[in-house]
Amino acid sequence: SQQGEEDPQALSIQEGENATMNCSYKTSINNLQWYRQNSGRGLVHLILIRSNEREKHSGRLRVTLDTSKKSSSLLITASRAADTASYFCATDPGGYNKLIFGAGTRLAVHP
Amino acid sequence: EADIYQTPRYLVIGTGKKITLECSQTMGHDKMYWYQQDPGMELHLIHYSYGVNSTEKGDLSSESTVSRIRTEHFPLTLESARPSHTSQYLCASSDTGPPALEQYFGPGTRLTVT
Repeated sequence: SQQGEEDPQALSIQEGENATMNCSYKTSINNLQWYRQNSGRGLVHLILIRSNEREKHSGRLRVTLDTSKKSSSLLITASRAADTASYFCATDPGGYNKLIFGAGTRLAVHP
Repeated sequence: EADIYQTPRYLVIGTGKKITLECSQTMGHDKMYWYQQDPGMELHLIHYSYGVNSTEKGDLSSESTVSRIRTEHFPLTLESARPSHTSQYLCASSDTGPPALEQYFGPGTRLTVT
């Protein structure tokens, strides 16, 4: 990957369970963003966390950022079948919106 | 739902043909981007624009070219398509930062060159 790795590559869970995805990156960043992609379509922005923030919440999403370890995690609580998608982290090293994407985690939530 | 559109959604074309992938947005965003994505892989930035008459190549080398004559329109052209160009092409836009802002993506064009 050009910037980092996402872990796991694929995750399969039951509805109601929590899903955790991790992202590591290589360079210093201005911010880190998470996106969702359904069935190879366009991406949808989920959440943005800045380099001076450690944790951020949005609905059932919780994102953490550890700049000392160059890593971030995305937690989806009480997952639903509709959460089935690929999830990508993207870093913005310079703060100019030129994003570098990871390879993504494919999440499957079974009813 | 983001107001960013891409046409065509699917394109199957023979080697050597010239193609133009269209992208337009109605949000008045100054910044626009083209990404290339192979199935199950990460997105790679191939072109970006900070505004009218401003275009630059991204981190991934591409034989395609772009133009930005109007704020809302950012077409991508391949002069002579080859099988190696088979991929999905995603267009995105964002408002002007800093601070950094989210990108809005179109639905993508899936290109197959035979």
